[in-house]
Amino acid sequence: DVKVTQSSRYLVKRTGEKVFLECVQDMDHENMFWYRQDPGLGLRLIYFSYDVKMKEKGDIPEGYSVSREKKERFSLILESASTNQTSMYLCASSLQRFSNQPQHFGDGTRLSIL
Amino acid sequence: GNSVTQMEGPVTLSEEAFLTINCTYTATGYPSLFWYVQYPGEGLQLLLKATKADDKGSNKGFEATYRKETTSFHLEKGSVQVSDSAVYFCALSDEAAGNKLTFGGGTRVLVKP
Repeated sequence: DVKVTQSSRYLVKRTGEKVFLECVQDMDHENMFWYRQDPGLGLRLIYFSYDVKMKEKGDIPEGYSVSREKKERFSLILESASTNQTSMYLCASSLQRFSNQPQHFGDGTRLSIL
Repeated sequence: GNSVTQMEGPVTLSEEAFLTINCTYTATGYPSLFWYVQYPGEGLQLLLKATKADDKGSNKGFEATYRKETTSFHLEKGSVQVSDSAVYFCALSDEAAGNKLTFGGGTRVLVKP
């Protein structure tokens, strides 16, 4: 089974801090994704990556950046955290860019910005 | 662009009742279709999938058939349990969109004993 591991289940940070959310997958997947999930807004794609050192903006990239230095690891960075970034963050991976294979999700990180 | 519409919840049922969650889609290409389930406090888990027209996906007693003529992928289960209480998401993946998922808004299901 595919295992997508997010480093923290719960995280509390302060406004203005630089926040790192880490995600690791163990199945040599090429694609990795970061979403946020908010009540009434569903899942929204923040950033994604099809390969090492590659990144593409999703639907709501403002206030975020990402890093993919190794194939198995995809980090989401909040450059200067703000209260409106309090949310559930979900990482996912899938096999290849044009394969239409399902995405596999981690357990999520519930981030609170105070 | 692509879109997925699913019935709004919450859907409240008694144990052993029949569950249907409607899902329709719009896509420019030939998408694959998925149902994901999210239990309280957890991430999304793939429940079932179908990759072409008339395919039936099934898992844990849940079924959904890819209907191209009606652009639908309705989720059904014949006899629900309390443990099926969760949020269910319909989603599509279009190769032309590079394997990005388009999600429906999610349907919360509550099964009472």
